[in-house]
Amino acid sequence: EVQLVESGGGLVQPGGSLRLSCAASGFTFSSYWMHWVRQAPGKGLVWVSRINSDASSTNYADSVKGRFTISRDNAKNTLFLQMNSLRADDTAVYYCVRDRGWVGLFDPWGQGTLVTVSS
Amino acid sequence: EIVMTQSPATLSVSPGERATLSCRASQSVSSNLAWYQQKPGQAPRLLIFGASTRATGIPARFSGSGSGTEFTLSISSLQSEDFAVYYCQQYNNWPPLTFGGGTKVEIK
Repeated sequence: EVQLVESGGGLVQPGGSLRLSCAASGFTFSSYWMHWVRQAPGKGLVWVSRINSDASSTNYADSVKGRFTISRDNAKNTLFLQMNSLRADDTAVYYCVRDRGWVGLFDPWGQGTLVTVSS
Repeated sequence: EIVMTQSPATLSVSPGERATLSCRASQSVSSNLAWYQQKPGQAPRLLIFGASTRATGIPARFSGSGSGTEFTLSISSLQSEDFAVYYCQQYNNWPPLTFGGGTKVEIK
């Protein structure tokens, strides 16, 4: 069974940093693109970032470009999101998502981890 | 950036009735359109991809149609477990990957 388990969320002050992790199991992690998608409380889904299989290529939403960094450790089957210069509008549940078919299709999703940016 | 617009924002339907949800893209996305279902407190799950192909394990009462800029998700006979929020998403032209704002299907 494919499993994606996020961790690392929590309360952080504006301007602070946080590193999210996503432990993957049940599939050949090194073969798949991976994404982060976020959802602010009571709001819709917003794509954040994507990384290809060997970490040679990344993409970011304009809202996080220059502040967030996606990375992966294929030896440890783990995806990361380093978030710096956090703002109140970064408050959201962050989902780790596998790409189905290397096309930008999200399947499956992790259960999410909540990041709250507040003083 | 391709903007995805869903309508209506809320759909009130009685169990056993048919629900029809719409999604419009600001420019053609061909058939590179997916639908996701999200229940309260849960992560989204993939329902439909390629505009009309059901994902593994998705019941046949869910069907998708459309191409280009106009898409529809139909649920033929609503079951209690189908009351949820549904999102469309384009993966034709990115970054960024973009979602619609969602349609909440609620019990009438």
